[in-house]
Amino acid sequence: GESVGLHLPTLSVQEGDNSIINCAYSNSASDYFIWYKQESGKGPQFIIDIRSNMDKRQGQRVTVLLNKTVKHLSLQIAATQPGDSAVYFCAENYGGATNKLIFGTGTLLAVQP
Amino acid sequence: EAQVTQNPRYLITVTGKKLTVTCSQNMNHEYMSWYRQDPGLGLRQIYYSMNVEVTDKGDVPEGYKVSRKEKRNFPLILESPSPNQTSLYFCASSFGAHSYEQYFGPGTRLTVT
Repeated sequence: GESVGLHLPTLSVQEGDNSIINCAYSNSASDYFIWYKQESGKGPQFIIDIRSNMDKRQGQRVTVLLNKTVKHLSLQIAATQPGDSAVYFCAENYGGATNKLIFGTGTLLAVQP
Repeated sequence: EAQVTQNPRYLITVTGKKLTVTCSQNMNHEYMSWYRQDPGLGLRQIYYSMNVEVTDKGDVPEGYKVSRKEKRNFPLILESPSPNQTSLYFCASSFGAHSYEQYFGPGTRLTVT
């Protein structure tokens, strides 16, 4: 809910600009990555995913880039809108059959009109 | 509508009074999981279930119990709640092994005084 945004790094952008949210993941053996969006008072919502055999994947207005060399993931949002204001989490899966996701602490995206 | 539901959405209780938070999904998912979300700590997994009658501990299981008697339901039980269990709780589900996209419920905000 509303307290999720406290203590988080914040990215403030102007409406219409592009946003880039970064995430460093921890395990070089992770083979699947997801970006989630969490609006105030709601549960996380799937945005886009990427497997470790890919470097880039595009969705509607969003692109995820994966750099396995430096264990870095980024989410690019084109033409950012006020409705994009939320906390964004990356998550990684270590592999195996447990479906376990490890979540980052998140970034608060604040879109200024 | 495909969804994960949780009840109650908000709960204020006292130390030591047993409580149950229910979770139900209507997507015939095999995998279900409980997380707690605390400021600055992100989402941490409490327990998960790969299928009916199969449950296992996540990263922070102390003080919690779960059961999976039916595929659609995965209740979280706090036998003797303590103030350090004050948190925002999310239930999530996904299709099954190697299907990592998890669908989240709306959250339950629990306060233990």
